Amino acid sequence: QKEVEQDPGPLSVPEGAIVSLNCTYSNSAFQYFMWYRQYSRKGPELLMYTYSSGNKEDGRFTAQVDKSSKYISLFIRDSQPSDSATYLCAMSASSAGGTSYGKLTFGQGTILTVHP
Amino acid sequence: DSGVTQTPKHLITATGQRVTLRCSPRSGDLSVYWYQQSLDQGLQFLIQYYNGEERAKGNILERFSAQQFPDLHSELNLSSLELGDSALYFCASSVSQKNTEAFFGQGTRLTVV
Repeated sequence: QKEVEQDPGPLSVPEGAIVSLNCTYSNSAFQYFMWYRQYSRKGPELLMYTYSSGNKEDGRFTAQVDKSSKYISLFIRDSQPSDSATYLCAMSASSAGGTSYGKLTFGQGTILTVHP
Repeated sequence: DSGVTQTPKHLITATGQRVTLRCSPRSGDLSVYWYQQSLDQGLQFLIQYYNGEERAKGNILERFSAQQFPDLHSELNLSSLELGDSALYFCASSVSQKNTEAFFGQGTRLTVV
């Protein structure tokens, strides 16, 4: 079983829809949670970063972390065709000294298409 | 553009050969990370360097090695290449050792034939 599970989709939605992307994980040591967006033939781009449980909002994007359920979500409001990309969740455990370094564990990525 | 530069963008080589991938981090960044992305394994962490020293190691094969030079650029060396090594190799960099602040380059697509 993989440490991080992510539904690969593909997910196809109409423009303006609310998109929900999710990941589950098994490693209870994970404390840092990230969402990346990757366009075709490009490198991953950091969208959101959350430490421990709770919600974080940035424009049309909201990240939620529920550590009790080992479940994280990314919501995209008013989705646009330019949001069409692969979305990757990533996680990291705290290291000695309380920071996070080294390995990020990624989900497989969800392919999202927003059609006009 | 993230500011992380990787060369070459594409590389085609034969099995058994050795290649070197190069990464120039963003100006001021001290940490460099290497990742491998394949269809079946997804993004896998290989190794992290911080200011010239190895900081963390992932599932990097013994045939692979990396280093970070005094000018902070990094190279990933892949030897005795196999068909299964065909993948996208990404470099990322961050100012500190924190992997939560890393910016990724555009990647090098390696094809082993």
